[in-house]
Amino acid sequence: SYVLTQPPSVSVAPGQTARITCGGNNIGSKSVHWYQQKPGQAPVLVVYDDSDRPSGIPERFSGSNSGNTATLTITRVEAGDEADYYCQVWDSSSDPWLFGGGTKLTVL
Amino acid sequence: QVQLVQSGAEVKKPGASVKVSCKASGYTFTSYDINWVRQATGQGLEWMGWMNPNSGNTGYAQKFQGRVTMTRNTSISTAYMELSRLRAEDTAVYYCAREVDCSRTSCSTFDFWGQGTLVTVSS
Repeated sequence: SYVLTQPPSVSVAPGQTARITCGGNNIGSKSVHWYQQKPGQAPVLVVYDDSDRPSGIPERFSGSNSGNTATLTITRVEAGDEADYYCQVWDSSSDPWLFGGGTKLTVL
Repeated sequence: QVQLVQSGAEVKKPGASVKVSCKASGYTFTSYDINWVRQATGQGLEWMGWMNPNSGNTGYAQKFQGRVTMTRNTSISTAYMELSRLRAEDTAVYYCAREVDCSRTSCSTFDFWGQGTLVTVSS
């Protein structure tokens, strides 16, 4: 079955750029979605279809996907960006919707 | 505005069943699939299954086959997820989420989520 691998944690200083990766076999051939989840809240879609942003999501959030790695990039990181981030893909080989294990973004 | 409002927290004994509701508003309920995702405390997101509110068709994750049932009542724009034979490991927050088509490609994604329903399984 298909597996998505995320680093457990990423730390970044305010104003810097955070990059959160999502690894998977030939993930570049799939559409990757990213969700932000703050403590006690439901997930929020921040990037979909590799690099598109839903309305209301700041331009500071962007995504890319190539080869075996998809990346969520957050520029000019703010304290309010501190959250767990999950990648998601659709895969036909098993249970169709898969989530990565999540990455905790800490703003130093 | 689109909203998915879920039912309140539940406490159940092992072996019992739980039924969580998800009331949709702000859009045509039958136009978008509803998915269910759960999250144990301190853990990641786990997809459980989907339902097409128009046809009632469903698809369940292998892990939950035989224990989960997803239904709907279109007259009140509400989706339901029932999980039976509960065990302690089913203690989690359960979310419903609307699935929509992507704008550029043929993919789909979850654009709106309910607030979550905590189900606690304890003797």
